[in-house]
Amino acid sequence: AQSVTQPDIHITVSEGASLELRCNYSYGATPYLFWYVQSPGQGLQLLLKYFSGDTLVQGIKGFEAEFKRSQSSFNLRKPSVHWSDAAEYFCAVGPSNFGNEKLTFGTGTRLTIIP
Amino acid sequence: DAGVIQSPRHEVTEMGQEVTLRCKPISGHNSLFWYRQTMMRGLELLIYFNNNVPIDDSGMPEDRFSAKMPNASFSTLKIQPSEPRDSAVYFCASSRRREGWETQYFGPGTRLLVL
Repeated sequence: AQSVTQPDIHITVSEGASLELRCNYSYGATPYLFWYVQSPGQGLQLLLKYFSGDTLVQGIKGFEAEFKRSQSSFNLRKPSVHWSDAAEYFCAVGPSNFGNEKLTFGTGTRLTIIP
Repeated sequence: DAGVIQSPRHEVTEMGQEVTLRCKPISGHNSLFWYRQTMMRGLELLIYFNNNVPIDDSGMPEDRFSAKMPNASFSTLKIQPSEPRDSAVYFCASSRRREGWETQYFGPGTRLLVL
């Protein structure tokens, strides 16, 4: 069965500082990986996704993520955060056989930005 | 282009009452997903449809929950009878499934409170 672990429940970062949110997955084959962001009171918005190819994926809002098979990780990064990045971030994994579209989400990391 | 539309946005009801949540997917999308988000369990998939047919309902908690998709532009999630532990935010998402993974677009959610 597929699973996702986001070890950090809450992270606080100063505006302008760099950011890295951790995500580890468990899946028997190469998975499809996603990062979503949820602003307060809103639905989830896709930041980026990895299916195959280049292991460094660029997304919207200046975010990027790197797939590392050896570490079963898909960490999200941003070189300089803005106050508007304060939100909850979810990593998700989907099966690569695409027989089932079921996404499994991590428990999320809440990001707080301080001036 | 309108996104996924959910109604109502907020629902407060008393234990034992029937609750119906509604979702209109993005036009042209052929997969529809119902998720539930709680503090304790995070974001979990309840059921999803492809071309109006239920594909995976393994996440539906019990017989009190039922979901229908009578046509490509409308779906309902019904809870009868409702219980306080059903209090959560319910999200609907849709995607345009073709030959591979496609982005799931989320609605704003319905916040349900069962007293």
